[in-house]
Amino acid sequence: AQTVTQSQPEMSVQEAETVTLSCTYDTSESDYYLFWYKQPPSRQMILVIRQEAYKQQNATENRFSVNFQKAAKSFSLKISDSQLGDAAMYFCAYKSGGGADGLTFGKGTHLIIQP
Amino acid sequence: KAGVTQTPRYLIKTRGQQVTLSCSPISGHRSVSWYQQTPGQGLQFLFEYFSETQRNKGNFPGRFSGRQFSNSRSEMNVSTLELGDSALYLCASSFQGLETQYFGPGTRLLVL
Repeated sequence: AQTVTQSQPEMSVQEAETVTLSCTYDTSESDYYLFWYKQPPSRQMILVIRQEAYKQQNATENRFSVNFQKAAKSFSLKISDSQLGDAAMYFCAYKSGGGADGLTFGKGTHLIIQP
Repeated sequence: KAGVTQTPRYLIKTRGQQVTLSCSPISGHRSVSWYQQTPGQGLQFLFEYFSETQRNKGNFPGRFSGRQFSNSRSEMNVSTLELGDSALYLCASSFQGLETQYFGPGTRLLVL
């Protein structure tokens, strides 16, 4: 079974600074997807970014980018120019590419933005 | 396109009762997945439906069941509620289940 580990229960960053959230995963599969989701206090789960395992290029979405190290099974999220609206729980998630398996989530990192 | 909708948003039940939650996916999406979120266990996969068929199920007791209708709307049912079933239940949809999942706002269930 796949596992996803987020080793930072909480992170704090000053507004406008850059922060990196860590995620490692364990799998024996070669075809899979990795995601970062954001869950603000409203509890709505919002997709931040997605990475296909077969792509070597790291995904980027505006101020959000990932560092995908396939051999190390590491998938970190970098948030540049942090904004107050970035404050939320961030979940790293894994999905097998081969079938209808659900997402496997990490425990989450609570991101605090200091004004 | 409208997003994933879930009803009701909040629910209070007592132990032993049963509950039905509803999820309407994004238009054109045929796959619906359900997740349970609790402070202790985090986010856990319940089951996934595609074209009215359950394709996968997580490690939950048989009290948790679901179904999907021909219009892709899905319902999940929990029978004989227990205090530990108190949770946020999230529904997510995707085009065929192999792609990115988009989540609804969730249903908060409190079992007393």
